[in-house]
Amino acid sequence: EAQVTQNPRYLITVTGKKLTVTCSQNMNHEYMSWYRQDPGLGLRQIYYSMNVEVTDKGDVPEGYKVSRKEKRNFPLILESPSPNQTSLYFCASSMTSGAPNTGELFFGEGSRLTVL
Amino acid sequence: GEDVEQSLFLSVREGDSSVINCTYTDSSSTYLYWYKQEPGAGLQLLTYIFSNMDMKQDQRLTVLLNKKDKHLSLRIADTQTGDSAIYFCAESPLASGGSYIPTFGRGTSLIVHP
Repeated sequence: EAQVTQNPRYLITVTGKKLTVTCSQNMNHEYMSWYRQDPGLGLRQIYYSMNVEVTDKGDVPEGYKVSRKEKRNFPLILESPSPNQTSLYFCASSMTSGAPNTGELFFGEGSRLTVL
Repeated sequence: GEDVEQSLFLSVREGDSSVINCTYTDSSSTYLYWYKQEPGAGLQLLTYIFSNMDMKQDQRLTVLLNKKDKHLSLRIADTQTGDSAIYFCAESPLASGGSYIPTFGRGTSLIVHP
């Protein structure tokens, strides 16, 4: 089954304790992206990656890091989490070449993070 | 710059039609999308329209595109309680390398009441 898998789905942590949210897709997609969703603010892009070893900042990259060492994985790293990073996080992937290419994004189920 | 705007809430009675509106600013948008987010889940593509089309119909869904006014709408006929969700409008210009990187609106929460 084609899917984007995120872990953990729920996490409560404390300020300053490094954490990683993993994202994996099994569709051989080149493009992967992280978003955060906050009430009234919709989806905001954190980082994205066009392919292996290529990453770029989105609209709200501060406090986050990413890496793309393999095509299928795109982990989101919070080196020193703070309460303002409490949010619902989504990973998404998309193909960028080949047909049909409509730019459809496939989303994970989301990871709800609470930083105390 | 790119910006996608949509109203935050819409409330309709079950059986009525729902119309969710969206405006966008990037005139080079190639694809425009509607994504649906059900409670506790990620977004899923509901439908999309290519920029050379004015209308697309798919069962209860009708998408209208007015390129001159940069206005996109989603009409849901015979709205059911199962249609209660957040609906996101998104646009994608064709970026370099043949990829599409979408910009999302803030989402419209559709509430369907009996």
